[in-house]
Amino acid sequence: NAGVTQTPKFQVLKTGQSMTLQCAQDMNHEYMSWYRQDPGMGLRLIHYSVGAGITDQGEVPNGYNVSRSTTEDFPLRLLSAAPSQTSVYFCASRRGGGPSEQYFGPGTRLTVT
Amino acid sequence: AQSVSQHNHHVILSEAASLELGCNYSYGGTVNLFWYVQYPGQHLQLLLKYFSGDPLVKGIKGFEAEFIKSKFSFNLRKPSVQWSDTAEYFCAVKSTDSWGKLQFGAGTQVVVTP
Repeated sequence: NAGVTQTPKFQVLKTGQSMTLQCAQDMNHEYMSWYRQDPGMGLRLIHYSVGAGITDQGEVPNGYNVSRSTTEDFPLRLLSAAPSQTSVYFCASRRGGGPSEQYFGPGTRLTVT
Repeated sequence: AQSVSQHNHHVILSEAASLELGCNYSYGGTVNLFWYVQYPGQHLQLLLKYFSGDPLVKGIKGFEAEFIKSKFSFNLRKPSVQWSDTAEYFCAVKSTDSWGKLQFGAGTQVVVTP
């Protein structure tokens, strides 16, 4: 199993540009989520999904959209990038229904200028 | 709403010293508890987890943590650290319902000097 994969690893955007961060998992996990990591703030939940077709907002959803058309994929879209969205983004997945650990992807380092 | 507090933001210690990182959480119900580690330039890896049972849990690389329910704490310990333990450590808490969200602490940066 590849686990959780993310692309790209690095990205530089100009303010106002849009882009999609890709995330895929091959473990048939129901639950997938996106976090952003900023110094001194730990990881903060952006959006999450409990299955195909079901998404919900996390702690810091503004400026981001998600969709979940398949169990495997959970892309994160930045609609109009802002410098405040400069961060490292991690995608994660886990089983639903009962105790389970969360598996993280390698991260995408995004810089918005 | 649940929250997680890690007591130290930065810890510097010498090789062979003992390490203890504090973690307290705020949540009224039953929780699952985790410690993750992030080595420089890498993604998060699970060190150990507590779901139920023995409150003293052992993880990888010689780490252990003790869940003290009355204190809402889940402190991480290692008796003798190595230079390779230099990393950022995150405590995380999740309610036990099926779709409970994982809440992270702010992290503790640990630097081990040779």
